[in-house]
Order: sequence, then C-alpha cells, then structure tokens
Amino acid sequence: DAKTTQPPSMDCAEGRAANLPCNHSTISGNEYVYWYRQIHSQGPQYIIHGLKNNETNEMASLIITEDRKSSTLILPHATLRDTAVYYCIVRVAGSNDYKLSFGAGTTVTVRA
Amino acid sequence: NAGVMQNPRHLVRRRGQEARLRCSPMKGHSHVYWYRQLPEEGLKFMVYLQKENIIDESGMPKERFSAEFPKEGPSILRIQQVVRGDSAAYFCASSPASETQYFGPGTRLLVL
Repeated sequence: DAKTTQPPSMDCAEGRAANLPCNHSTISGNEYVYWYRQIHSQGPQYIIHGLKNNETNEMASLIITEDRKSSTLILPHATLRDTAVYYCIVRVAGSNDYKLSFGAGTTVTVRA
Repeated sequence: NAGVMQNPRHLVRRRGQEARLRCSPMKGHSHVYWYRQLPEEGLKFMVYLQKENIIDESGMPKERFSAEFPKEGPSILRIQQVVRGDSAAYFCASSPASETQYFGPGTRLLVL
C-alpha cells in the first residue's frame, strides 16, 4: 500500500541539476516528506525532509507543492557519485510512525 | 561525530550456524531500528528497540530471530540456525527519539 509514487528511473548529465519527482496525493496534514538515497552496496543515506515549506541543505533542495500532493528533490549539480536509488517516504515525524517504507524508488544514473 | 557503526560488514555462515550482527548507534541516540534487504528487494522493517526494551518486533520472523539493546554496549541482532533464505543485507538505523533515522553501512550475511 504505497503512499508515494516515483518514476522507476531517470538519467542526468554530470554537472546539471537533477529533478526527482514524487507524488504523495494522500499525504495527511502531519506527515513529512523524507528523502533517502542508497548508493550501491551502501546503507541508506538521509538527504532532507520537509513538511510544507521548501527546504535546502548542503546536499539538496526539496520543493513541496502548495497542496502538498507532490514534491521534487533537486540535486543542483549532479556528480557521478550521486548515482543511486532515491527514495521518497512520507511519515509523521516525532511519533510512533517509525517504520520507514522503502518502495522501489527512482534509480538515478548520472552520466559523464 | 561517528555515524552508525555495524560489524561485521560481511559474514559468512553455513546452514545451521548462528549469526550475530552488531550495531552501535550514533552518539546520543537511544533508539535503534533493524531493517533487512533481500537481494533485489527494498528494505523491510524488522524491529525497533530502545535501551533494554523491544518496542516493536512485528517485522521480525517469529522463530530463530531475536534482538536486544542492552544498557551497555551495542544492539545485537541474532539469527539462530541460519538458512539460505537468511542471506541478505541487514541495516541498522538510529535516532535520538522518534525522529530522523540515520543508517549504518550494513552487514551482508551469506549463508552457504
């Protein structure tokens, strides 16, 4: 029972911005949008999360639509090391909603 | 500040042996979560522990699997009498409360 929908794969040119979409049309008011990525053979890496305002950190930016039904993760200058599977997850932060549900994610391939 | 540490990183066991996987959470984190990733599949929640307490083990097989997080020392995931189907990557995550989970590098278990 997936709460998010992501494209299965996408390619990106090195040095260009990568824009990763995620649909979460049934998100509830207290659910945050989290992004993780998993580089091959490594553990998932936390990227960013947000509730309704756009967020930015040293890794990425998160743009959430006003109705909160979708969001976009932006990697501003993709490098080859950004090749990974990216997961968009919704959960209620600071609560008993601790079981992160990793779907299939988006396999991002950054090409030179 | 060291991240989540897991050891061993790779573990090979023969059918019927025991596997012990260790996880040291990030400093200041008292919540530990274990996830399993079968080959070509996504991560699945197994168990959630706080110091000396199992909070939720609903994702863990009822037989042969157990987990603990003692007052002192790392969290341990124990698999008795391993079978080939236990071959997987086991990831531990930690958080300071029921907040953002940070993952370790994983232990890759291979059962011969």
